[in-house]
Amino acid sequence: AQSVAQPEDQVNVAEGNPLTVKCTYSVSGNPYLFWYVQYPNRGLQFLLKYITGDNLVKGSYGFEAEFNKSQTSFHLKKPSALVSDSALYFCAVRVGYNFNKFYFGSGTKLNVKP
Amino acid sequence: GAVVSQHPSRVICKSGTSVKIECRSLDFQATTMFWYRQFPKQSLMLMATSNEGSKATYEQGVEKDKFLINHASLTLSTLTVTSAHPEDSSFYICSARAELAGSDTQYFGPGTRLTVL
Repeated sequence: AQSVAQPEDQVNVAEGNPLTVKCTYSVSGNPYLFWYVQYPNRGLQFLLKYITGDNLVKGSYGFEAEFNKSQTSFHLKKPSALVSDSALYFCAVRVGYNFNKFYFGSGTKLNVKP
Repeated sequence: GAVVSQHPSRVICKSGTSVKIECRSLDFQATTMFWYRQFPKQSLMLMATSNEGSKATYEQGVEKDKFLINHASLTLSTLTVTSAHPEDSSFYICSARAELAGSDTQYFGPGTRLTVL
C-alpha cells in the first residue's frame, strides 16, 4: 500500500533559524513526491516536487527538499525561517495509473516565532 | 500559474437538503479533477476522481449516491452532497490536473466549508 508519513504534528522554530519538516514515504515503484502548504481556510499551494534527476529540489518561497532514496525520505527545508512561513505543510506522493492519485501525509503545523 | 476556483467558499444548509459545489479551472483545461475532504486538523482524503465525459471513480468507502460528481466540461466539475447530514460537515477541496509547458501537476482550489445544521 502507498503511504506517506509526517512524524511531527508540529514544528516550532525561531525566526531566522533553519527549519526542517520531515516526510517519509512507502510506495511501490518510483515515487513522485510533492510538498504543499495550506493557510487557514485556504486550499493547498504547491511548493515543490521531485520527479527525477537532482535529489535536491528547490521550490517556492525559498523552500527546498532533498530526496533520499535509501532512507525513503523527502524532508522539506529552509535555511532561514520567516514568521510568515507559519502554516500547515503537507507531503504527498502521487501514484496510480497515469500517476493521477495523490496520497497526503497527516500534515505538520509549522510555528515560526519572532 | 494555473488557477482553480471553487464556489461557494462557504455554505450552511439544513439537514436533508442538497448542496452543490463547483470547481473550475480558470485558465487551463482539465480532463481530470479530484475531490478531497478534509476534517479539522486532519489531512486531505481523496474522495473521487472526476473525468470529463465519463463517470467519476470513487475511492473505497465513499458513497457515490451521496456524493454526486459531474464533470460537464473541460473546465468544470461539480460535487453535490445529497441529503446532507451534520456528519457531512467538512472542508471540501478540489484539484485539477494541468499539463502546462510539459509539466504535469495538480492545482488546488481554495476549498469550500460546508456546515450542515
